[in-house]
Amino acid sequence: GAVVSQHPSRVICKSGTSVKIECRSLDFQATTMFWYRQFPKQSLMLMATSNEGSKATYEQGVEKDKFLINHASLTLSTLTVTSAHPEDSSFYICSAGTGTSGGAGAKNIQYFGAGTRLSVL
Amino acid sequence: DAKTTQPPSMDCAEGRAANLPCNHSTISGNEYVYWYRQIHSQGPQYIIHGLKNNETNEMASLIITEDRKSSTLILPHATLRDTAVYYCIVKGNGQNFVFGPGTRLSVLP
Repeated sequence: GAVVSQHPSRVICKSGTSVKIECRSLDFQATTMFWYRQFPKQSLMLMATSNEGSKATYEQGVEKDKFLINHASLTLSTLTVTSAHPEDSSFYICSAGTGTSGGAGAKNIQYFGAGTRLSVL
Repeated sequence: DAKTTQPPSMDCAEGRAANLPCNHSTISGNEYVYWYRQIHSQGPQYIIHGLKNNETNEMASLIITEDRKSSTLILPHATLRDTAVYYCIVKGNGQNFVFGPGTRLSVLP
């Protein structure tokens, strides 16, 4: 299957600092990437949809000014957690698909990165 | 909200088949069934997907009932490495993947 690389795998930072997470599709181009957050013992929650060359679409309740998303190319999306606080500590996961945005079936399998564990002290 | 219902946990003996059920009674005609799994502290891994017909790949088999209201993921010879949370997701055009709580499969030696 297609490979999605996510970096870094773990971040420990002080409260108030900003953290950037990168998500790359290594062997395919992705017009759309997705960012999820997962708290301990909970399922993945979609935060936002990252669209190449345009603004991201955020889910209800997700602060767009706090979670900045940039999708500058067909293979790279970044999530920046600005002024991180302890409550932002979580497991952040990106995904990318090989098909058109919002499609279904074989052309729209989502491939996930390994995730980034953020710990804010 | 997730459109699927799965048992919260299951056990399976190593070497035996693991049969993971999923109920999706409200599935509509253009929605596919996808299965992913998440091993602890990793991102979800794609397993298989299907629309109407049964599907098989190197990882698993997917059996979809004729009325499409439920499906079963089959791992034919479970190993300890198959211990994970398994997610059954129904998705159609214009929809995002919505993850429910999944089934925590424990493969026992």
